[in-house]
Amino acid sequence: DGGITQSPKYLFRKEGQNVTLSCEQNLNHDAMYWYRQDPGQGLRLIYYSQIVNDFQKGDIAEGYSVSREKKESFPLTVTSAQKNPTAFYLCASSQGVEQPQHFGDGTRLSIL
Amino acid sequence: EDQVTQSPEALRLQEGESSSLNCSYTVSGLRGLFWYRQDPGKGPEFLFTLYSAGEEKEKERLKATLTKKESFLHITAPKPEDSATYLCAVHPNTGGFKTIFGAGTRLFVKA
Repeated sequence: DGGITQSPKYLFRKEGQNVTLSCEQNLNHDAMYWYRQDPGQGLRLIYYSQIVNDFQKGDIAEGYSVSREKKESFPLTVTSAQKNPTAFYLCASSQGVEQPQHFGDGTRLSIL
Repeated sequence: EDQVTQSPEALRLQEGESSSLNCSYTVSGLRGLFWYRQDPGKGPEFLFTLYSAGEEKEKERLKATLTKKESFLHITAPKPEDSATYLCAVHPNTGGFKTIFGAGTRLFVKA
């Protein structure tokens, strides 16, 4: 079955450490997204990529970085510059920006 | 500023007690409005897309409607398995790649 796979499901970060969240899709979608979800708030866009080797910052990109070397993969790195990284991170993909997005099951990041 | 507001924040229903969730939006033109269902610890699951005022979509006990300023998700005779958070999202006409999500309505259906 086609879908989006995020790993790991849970991740713990130490002070000063960079961590990378994985996102893989086999839906053949060009567009991929990273969102952050905090309690009581809507999903907030971190980064967006429409094609390989191209990505754009969303509303809260500071302290995060991404790469898009393959169509299927869109990893997110949470750097030590992100001072409040504790959240639920969701990866999504879509056929186009006006199409509904398909989501993975998220990675919950916590601070040790 | 483009904005999406969902109400109520939480809704508790008895099994079989029909109700509606509201999504009001303020955007400069609408390209599409989306409804998603999210279970605890999971990613959102797509339910419906609505594109123009007057449009309606149905799926089992759920029916989504759209006006020029808001959308409703009607739940008819809900069952406990309908308990979830329902998210509304809007793709504005200002273009680009951004979709604006509401904070969601948490629905609890008691048997």
